[in-house]
Amino acid sequence: KQEVTQIPAALSVPEGENLVLNCSFTDSAIYNLQWFRQDPGKGLTSLLLIQSSQREQTSGRLNASLDKSSGRSTLYIAASQPGDSATYLCTVLMDSNYQLIWGAGTKLIIKP
Amino acid sequence: GAVVSQHPSRVICKSGTSVKIECRSLDFQATTMFWYRQFPKKSLMLMATSNEGSKATYEQGVEKDKFLINHASLTLSTLTVTSAHPEDSSFYICSANDLRLADYNEQFFGPGTRLTVL
Repeated sequence: KQEVTQIPAALSVPEGENLVLNCSFTDSAIYNLQWFRQDPGKGLTSLLLIQSSQREQTSGRLNASLDKSSGRSTLYIAASQPGDSATYLCTVLMDSNYQLIWGAGTKLIIKP
Repeated sequence: GAVVSQHPSRVICKSGTSVKIECRSLDFQATTMFWYRQFPKKSLMLMATSNEGSKATYEQGVEKDKFLINHASLTLSTLTVTSAHPEDSSFYICSANDLRLADYNEQFFGPGTRLTVL
C-alpha cells in the first residue's frame, strides 16, 4: 500500500532563505508526482508536476526533483517570501489504478 | 484551460438537512470526476470516483447512501450530503480529468466547498 510522507510537518524560516521540503513514497510504481499549495481555508493550487520519466521541473523560484527509485521528491524554494506561507502538499498518481495518494503536507511560515 | 468550479464555496446548514455541492468542468469534458474530503490539518481523502453516466465507485468506509454522487453529464457532478450531521463538517474538493488530453491522468481541482453543519 502506497504511503506518502512529508517532512517536516511544519517549518518556519526568515524571509529570504532558501528551503527544501521533502516528500517520500513507499511504492515507486507511480505515474507522476505533483506538488500543490494550499492557503488556509482555500483550495489547491498546482505548483509543479513531474512525470515518472522526468527528474525535475522548474517554475520561477520553485524547483521540484524526483528520484523514483529511492522514492523521494524535494521541493526547493529559493529566496523565500512571506507570500510563500502556506501548506504544501505532495501527491503521487499510482500506475496501477490512477489514484492520487496524498501526503499530510508541510505547513510553511515565512517570517518577514 | 482545464478549469473546474465548485458551488457553493461555503455553506452552513442545520443538522438533518441535505446539502448539494456542484462540481463543473468549465472548458473541457470531464469523463471522470473525483470527490475528496479534507479534515482540518489533514490531507485529502478520496471519497469516490464517478464516471459520466454510471454509478460512482466509493472508497472503503464512505457511506454511499449518505454521500450521493451524480455525474449525469460530461461537465457536471454533484455531491449531496444527506441528513447532515456536525461530523460531516469538512472541506470538500472535487477534481476532474479529461481523456482527450495527452496526459489524461492529470486531475484538475476545484476551489473546494466549506460545509459547516450546526
